[in-house]
Amino acid sequence: GENVEQHPSTLSVQEGDSAVIKCTYSDSASNYFPWYKQELGKRPQLIIDIRSNVGEKKDQRIAVTLNKTAKHFSLHITETQPEDSAVYFCARGQSGYSTLTFGKGTMLLVSP
Amino acid sequence: GAVVSQHPSRVICKSGTSVKIECRSLDFQATTMFWYRQFPKQSLMLMATSNEGSKATYEQGVEKDKFLINHASLTLSTLTVTSAHPEDSSFYICSARDTSGTSSYEQYFGPGTRLTVT
Repeated sequence: GENVEQHPSTLSVQEGDSAVIKCTYSDSASNYFPWYKQELGKRPQLIIDIRSNVGEKKDQRIAVTLNKTAKHFSLHITETQPEDSAVYFCARGQSGYSTLTFGKGTMLLVSP
Repeated sequence: GAVVSQHPSRVICKSGTSVKIECRSLDFQATTMFWYRQFPKQSLMLMATSNEGSKATYEQGVEKDKFLINHASLTLSTLTVTSAHPEDSSFYICSARDTSGTSSYEQYFGPGTRLTVT
């Protein structure tokens, strides 16, 4: 199937610490893995994505890693700030098919 | 980046009435748009894929006669919730794909519509 498992469901960290959110997928045909950030009552915003031809991608304090063999990918946020507090969703997609399948989300709370 | 608008942002209606929600891609053409429903503290659940000029593709368990989708132009898709009931109260979010650029995978989300059925 196309299920995406996301862990943890909630994550509390102190400001300045790192946060890691992990997702696993089942469909080996998946080749596109975006991460979205959603603040309360607002739209999901794409923060980073990775395609299956690379194993890691970084953008300032945010990085994503992909292990195709194990079928899992992770979001890494370093030097967390209170404004990073939000719900983060991972998703998977497949070329030739336009739909995305989303994980259940992780609520990240960064305490000052 | 690509911008998607959604209207209205918030609507309250009485049980049994119908509500129309619009989703527009403002600076790009979207042959494909998506409609999601999100209940409090839950994930985005895809309801249907809206294709310009053709019938929408509904996900399993979504009633196509209740959730009418029309994608009449490359920049506009509408979702009509017919005969709304309190259990239809939810946050409805649309997204659109910009297939003209280098990234044809990326979906841009609208700001969502909070529907409350009384």
